[in-house]
Amino acid sequence: NAGVTQTPKFRVLKTGQSMTLLCAQDMNHEYMYWYRQDPGMGLRLIHYSVGEGTTAKGEVPDGYNVSRLKKQNFLLGLESAAPSQTSVYFCASSWGILDSPLHFGNGTRLTVT
Amino acid sequence: GENVEQHPSTLSVQEGDSAVIKCTYSDSASNYFPWYKQELGKGPQLIIDIRSNVGEKKDQRIAVTLNKTAKHFSLHITETQPEDSAVYFCAAGGGTASKLTFGTGTRLQVTL
Repeated sequence: NAGVTQTPKFRVLKTGQSMTLLCAQDMNHEYMYWYRQDPGMGLRLIHYSVGEGTTAKGEVPDGYNVSRLKKQNFLLGLESAAPSQTSVYFCASSWGILDSPLHFGNGTRLTVT
Repeated sequence: GENVEQHPSTLSVQEGDSAVIKCTYSDSASNYFPWYKQELGKGPQLIIDIRSNVGEKKDQRIAVTLNKTAKHFSLHITETQPEDSAVYFCAAGGGTASKLTFGTGTRLQVTL
């Protein structure tokens, strides 16, 4: 039982390049999330999904797109990377959205030069 | 929307002492308050949570207290050990914002 798995663990991009971060969960959770973590700013929600085929914006969605084609997978895309997107990205999943624990992956450290 | 403030941002205690981290929230409708521990290079992991119908909850050396009137909640760690060294995040959810809002984190260092 792997929980939440994120790939890759590290990535360096040049400004303007694109990439996709992959997240997979094996807990049959309905809800999945993408957060970014920056020093002194905690965890900020980028996008989330309440089920297969659905996506919704969080508090910092600009510059990112997501897709949830399968229940167990949640993809985060950067179409044209910017230095401001240098961050650590965490995927999480939960069985409920209002008051249930989040299960996090171990993160992807992205550097945009 | 919800706003969560967390203090202190860093905390250093000696092994065996207690540590207290405090958070305040703004949305009186919030009813779920989890605490997460993040070790270096890993994702946050839930260590304890409390719902608004409970004032205090304990799990071995960890306890959380909630004051709904004042809209603040605290994490208490007793008999701290070096393995307690980590970053701790509080969060609030279940209110009008519907999703969890995190505090900015507290880096706890337990020294020998």
